Amino acid sequence: GIQVEQSPPDLILQEGANSTLRCNFSDSVNNLQWFHQNPWGQLINLFYIPSGTKQNGRLSATTVATERYSLLYISSSQTTDSGVYFCAVYNAGGTSYGKLTFGQGTILTVHP
Amino acid sequence: EAGVAQSPRYKIIEKRQSVAFWCNPISGHATLYWYQQILGQGPKLLIQFQNNGVVDDSQLPKDRFSAERLKGVDSTLKIQPAKLEDSAVYLCASSRNPSGVATDTQYFGPGTRLTVL
Repeated sequence: GIQVEQSPPDLILQEGANSTLRCNFSDSVNNLQWFHQNPWGQLINLFYIPSGTKQNGRLSATTVATERYSLLYISSSQTTDSGVYFCAVYNAGGTSYGKLTFGQGTILTVHP
Repeated sequence: EAGVAQSPRYKIIEKRQSVAFWCNPISGHATLYWYQQILGQGPKLLIQFQNNGVVDDSQLPKDRFSAERLKGVDSTLKIQPAKLEDSAVYLCASSRNPSGVATDTQYFGPGTRLTVL
C-alpha cells in the first residue's frame, strides 16, 4: 500500500516562531488532507489540498503532487497550535473505493 | 451544522468482555468510516460504509470486530471478545459524497477511548 512519512516527528517552538512540517508519499494520490489533533483527541481538518497552495489565516499548505510531497506552514505560532499534525492521503489505486492513509504525525509543542 | 457524534467517550473493560460504540454522522453525509488510533500512531481505517453498504472492511479483524449501519445513518462498532491490544481510540468520520471515489473531506467525531485491562 501507499506509504506516508512525516517529518520531523517532534517539534518544540517558542511562541511567535514559524515552522514547516513535511509529508512525503510513495504513490500518486487523489486527495491529501492535513489534520490537527488537539490535546483532547479531536481531529480537525485543516486543508483539503491534492495539489497547489492554500492559505487559512496563519496556516498555509502546498502540495507538489508530481514530486509526491506536501508542506504545512505555521507562522507566528501560538500555544493553541500545540498538538499532533497528521497528513493523510487517499489513493484509489484504480478501484472505485480507496482508503485514507495517515502518516505517523508531527507532535508540535509551542511554549509561551 | 452539528458535527459527528460518538458515544461513549470513554470505556474501560476487562479482556474477553464485549463492548459497543455508537456513531451518528453529519446529517446528509452518505459515507461513514470507523478508524482505530493506537497511542502514538495515526488513525487506521477499519471499515467504510457507503450509505448502509460496506465498501471496505479489509482491515477489520472480523473474528472479533463487527459493524453495521442501519438505514444508512447511525452506525455501531462492536468488539467481542476484547483483547489487550484493542486498547485505542475509536474514531468515526463521515463525508458527503454519496457514490464513487470518496475524495471528499472527512469530518471526525471526538472518538471513544477504550482501555482493555
